[in-house]
Amino acid sequence: KNEVEQSPQNLTAQEGEFITINCSYSVGISALHWLQQHPGGGIVSLFMLSSGKKKHGRLIATINIQEKHSSLHITASHPRDSAVYICAVASYNTDKLIFGTGTRLQVFP
Amino acid sequence: KAGVTQTPRYLIKTRGQQVTLSCSPISGHRSVSWYQQTPGQGLQFLFEYFSETQRNKGNFPGRFSGRQFSNSRSEMNVSTLELGDSALYLCASSLTGGSSYNEQFFGPGTRLTVL
Repeated sequence: KNEVEQSPQNLTAQEGEFITINCSYSVGISALHWLQQHPGGGIVSLFMLSSGKKKHGRLIATINIQEKHSSLHITASHPRDSAVYICAVASYNTDKLIFGTGTRLQVFP
Repeated sequence: KAGVTQTPRYLIKTRGQQVTLSCSPISGHRSVSWYQQTPGQGLQFLFEYFSETQRNKGNFPGRFSGRQFSNSRSEMNVSTLELGDSALYLCASSLTGGSSYNEQFFGPGTRLTVL
């Protein structure tokens, strides 16, 4: 079993829909990162959080340390949100990033 | 401020050769981490350098090595290339060492193909 699991693996949505991507992990962590990867490979860091909730524009990230679970929400989705979203946890013991397999999101107009 | 740059962007090598990839971090950033991304294994941590010292290392064979220079630029080297080394190699820089409390800024990657 992977130490970081994401669901769903693939997601399609109509423009304007509310999107939720989930991340569960089994190791002790000191922080969790949400990353966005567009076709061509470039990765952008969206959030880094260790507790609670963060918001940036239409994106919201939450984390529940006790349940070892994080969610990334996109409100009013837009075709430019189409990308792969990757959850990565910083292992408390090793301080290495462990990555989920990613969620491929396609938003259609 | 210029972002993280990686050279070359694309590379084709044959089995048994060696390759050196370069990463220039954002000005002022002292930590550089390297990652390998393949369709089968996804993203995996290779190593992290901070102030010219390897601070952390992933589970890769000794054929994968790296170094960091006094200006924080970093290189990674892969010797005796294998077909399975074909991947996108990404570097990321951060202000200080450790991925725990530091936002990572990624470069565009170097796509290596081994024939």
